[in-house]
Amino acid sequence: NAGVTQTPKFQVLKTGQSMTLQCAQDMNHNSMYWYRQDPGMGLRLIYYSASEGTTDKGEVPNGYNVSRLNKREFSLRLESAAPSQTSVYFCASMGVDQPQHFGDGTRLSIL
Amino acid sequence: EDQVTQSPEALRLQEGESSSLNCSYTVSGLRGLFWYRQDPGKGPEFLFTLYSAGEEKEKERLKATLTKKESFLHITAPKPEDSATYLCAGHSYGQNFVFGPGTRLSVLP
Repeated sequence: NAGVTQTPKFQVLKTGQSMTLQCAQDMNHNSMYWYRQDPGMGLRLIYYSASEGTTDKGEVPNGYNVSRLNKREFSLRLESAAPSQTSVYFCASMGVDQPQHFGDGTRLSIL
Repeated sequence: EDQVTQSPEALRLQEGESSSLNCSYTVSGLRGLFWYRQDPGKGPEFLFTLYSAGEEKEKERLKATLTKKESFLHITAPKPEDSATYLCAGHSYGQNFVFGPGTRLSVLP
């Protein structure tokens, strides 16, 4: 089973460029999440989607947008990348009364 | 505001040397306390969920316990393959998960 798949695994951008991080899950989960992980800090929630067709802001949403394309897919977009957005981005999905399942992350560097 | 802290930040053990990792939480209306393992370059992998004070769960050399303010991850006779970062997270009703910064565990042969 693939679980949660994130693409790309690595990306380098220049300040001001845009890009979309992709996430897909094959576990038929309703809820999906985007986190960023920075050294010395816990995973911080950027956006989440409790079900298909809904999205909500998390702790650090500024500079990001999301799209819940369908039940399987949840994308994260950086419209104008800034060096402060250099981080490792994780997507997670969760079913009812289950723990979150994570992808292996996208390592993003913004120069 | 919900908050989760972990200590120590890093821990080095000799193979076979048992120890405990601490997770302190301030989460109103705790729905569950989660432990994850994270290997370098990978996403967090689920270990345990604890729901109420006094609960304990075990898996191989790991045992997680929960009190009203803390959770402990006890590692008995660790092996080098137990080296990883261990994350805990609190989940409250009507809120999302709050993660601690993690404890980096190194087990030396």
